[in-house]
Amino acid sequence: DAGVTQSPTHLIKTRGQQVTLRCSPKSGHDTVSWYQQALGQGPQFIFQYYEEEERQRGNFPDRFSGHQFPNYSSELNVNALLLGDSALYLCASSPLLGSPLHFGNGTRLTVT
Amino acid sequence: AQSVTQPDIHITVSEGASLELRCNYSYGATPYLFWYVQSPGQGLQLLLKYFSGDTLVQGIKGFEAEFKRSQSSFNLRKPSVHWSDAAEYFCAVFMNRDDKIIFGKGTRLHILP
Repeated sequence: DAGVTQSPTHLIKTRGQQVTLRCSPKSGHDTVSWYQQALGQGPQFIFQYYEEEERQRGNFPDRFSGHQFPNYSSELNVNALLLGDSALYLCASSPLLGSPLHFGNGTRLTVT
Repeated sequence: AQSVTQPDIHITVSEGASLELRCNYSYGATPYLFWYVQSPGQGLQLLLKYFSGDTLVQGIKGFEAEFKRSQSSFNLRKPSVHWSDAAEYFCAVFMNRDDKIIFGKGTRLHILP
């Protein structure tokens, strides 16, 4: 049974570019959450998707957007990249709101 | 505002010694509480969780945590640490009102041989 899988594992982009990160949730999970983890910090909540809709959003600008597909997989899009967007982006899935999150290994994004 | 505080950024203990990592939360109701561990370059792994009931919960890898409502704390403990326990530990809280889980800034655990 595969857990949460994220792709790609590493990515290097230039300021101003756009990036798309992908996530497949653990089998049986229908809720996907995205977190940004800057170096030396805890994960910061970006947003959460359920039934293909954004249910909750953290304190992130509109440059951060997402999507959930009918098979529950999800994408995180970031437009107009800034140097400060460099971080580990973690996807997590869960079967129910409030149940423990299952994390992928993350995508390391470097913006130069 | 709701928050999770881990007051210790770094903790160093000797192998075989006991461990306690502190976590305090600020929330108007009894939250769901979690501890996660993260090894370098990896995602987060759930160690244990508290939803309700017995305030002392057991987790994986010999860890336990105690929920103290009066102190708004959920400290993680282990009686005897192993070198493989060296990692970053995160306390997390599920906020019912906001339907999201928020994390503390983490405590990095170093183990001396």
